Amino acid sequence: DAKTTQPTSMDCAEGRAANLPCNHSTISGNEYVYWYRQIHSQGPQYIIHGLKNNETNEMASLIITEDRKSSTLILPHATLRDTAVYYCIVRGTTNSNSGYALNFGKGTSLLVTP
Amino acid sequence: SAVISQKPSRDICQRGTSLTIQCQVDSQVTMMFWYRQQPGQSLTLIATANQGSEATYESGFVIDKFPISRPNLTFSTLTVSNMSPEDSSIYLCSVVRDRAIDHQETQYFGPGTRLLVL
Repeated sequence: DAKTTQPTSMDCAEGRAANLPCNHSTISGNEYVYWYRQIHSQGPQYIIHGLKNNETNEMASLIITEDRKSSTLILPHATLRDTAVYYCIVRGTTNSNSGYALNFGKGTSLLVTP
Repeated sequence: SAVISQKPSRDICQRGTSLTIQCQVDSQVTMMFWYRQQPGQSLTLIATANQGSEATYESGFVIDKFPISRPNLTFSTLTVSNMSPEDSSIYLCSVVRDRAIDHQETQYFGPGTRLLVL
């Protein structure tokens, strides 16, 4: 699976959009980009994933560049409850059970302030 | 989604003892995994729990230290054996419900078990 690079930390004012970048310059054609977040003292929570098209769900939007070497997770109206560590993970296809497990990097610690 | 529960939610243990953590899922799942999250660190995969066969361990983790059982498609246990303070971590169970044709499987996580070893 390709390696990802994220900023260590970011701040965002409540009510504003939070834009979290992720670099995955070595991504290959069959690898998906997944985003998870971990709120303090809880297990990671799935947010969204995509291959090459932009994706949107009730939680966030995922913008993937045309060359797929980077992506941005957008929380359109951040709230205090969005304060968490956000993980960008790239995962490819596999036929082994172990290969399905996500490999977590250090993520971005997002602080939403009043 | 999948509803995952873990027992215990937290524990304080003495060094040299062992603790077994249980993971229960509300429906049958294809894959189950165990992760460790040391203080201030990210998640590290310990092993894949395989039903009917031995777990598949990642580099740096061995069966003698972290024996795993998976008797059916909804339940697994992880034992942390002969504990030392370095084993103080959050241990997380995770599942993938089904293999998808296009490999787009969402992985779900339990709430974690907070372990402190004195």
